Amino acid sequence: DQQVKQNSPSLSVQEGRISILNCDYTNSMFDYFLWYKKYPAEGPTFLISISSIKDKNEDGRFTVFLNKSAKHLSLHIVPSQPGDSAVYFCAASAPLKGGGADGLTFGKGTHLIIQP
Amino acid sequence: KAGVTQTPRYLIKTRGQQVTLSCSPISGHRSVSWYQQTPGQGLQFLFEYFSETQRNKGNFPGRFSGRQFSNSRSEMNVSTLELGDSALYLCASSLALGQNTEAFFGQGTRLTVV
Repeated sequence: DQQVKQNSPSLSVQEGRISILNCDYTNSMFDYFLWYKKYPAEGPTFLISISSIKDKNEDGRFTVFLNKSAKHLSLHIVPSQPGDSAVYFCAASAPLKGGGADGLTFGKGTHLIIQP
Repeated sequence: KAGVTQTPRYLIKTRGQQVTLSCSPISGHRSVSWYQQTPGQGLQFLFEYFSETQRNKGNFPGRFSGRQFSNSRSEMNVSTLELGDSALYLCASSLALGQNTEAFFGQGTRLTVV
């Protein structure tokens, strides 16, 4: 049972336009969400995160929105640039009973292609 | 500041053998987590180590084990290798144990079991 779902395996967006990547989750215990970007032959690179006490977090061209009632988050990239072409992973973590947080649960990724 | 270093980058092993992968975290980071990435299952959490103790474990069989040393370096061991163990194994380090700090990943070790 996949607890974090990225239903679009790929997304193609024109350079300069907005890219919107979506992520749904089923575990209501998740309280922290992250987006990672991955280029081929490299490890994932942290992009942006959001705590469940917020509904929006912005960092430059990247904004993450969280809708807890819908168990949905999205990553907006505006404007999209050619260097943004990569696989984007949504990840979530839940608190552990003894303190700290559980390991990250990842979605399967969305391959974003920015077209010139 | 050096990033997370994983060695070796590539490895080919035969079914039934065992393998040890190494991870050196970012200097000052005390938490090390391991993940397996396969095309079918995506990225899956294996375990997390902090202060030389396994603090958290994912849903993997006992053939997968690890340890952490006093300098925070970590090793992961897979015994009795199966073809399905072929994957990219990623190590991630973070400052502390699960305090909602982002994890920084290494480039991974690509393991192929033949």
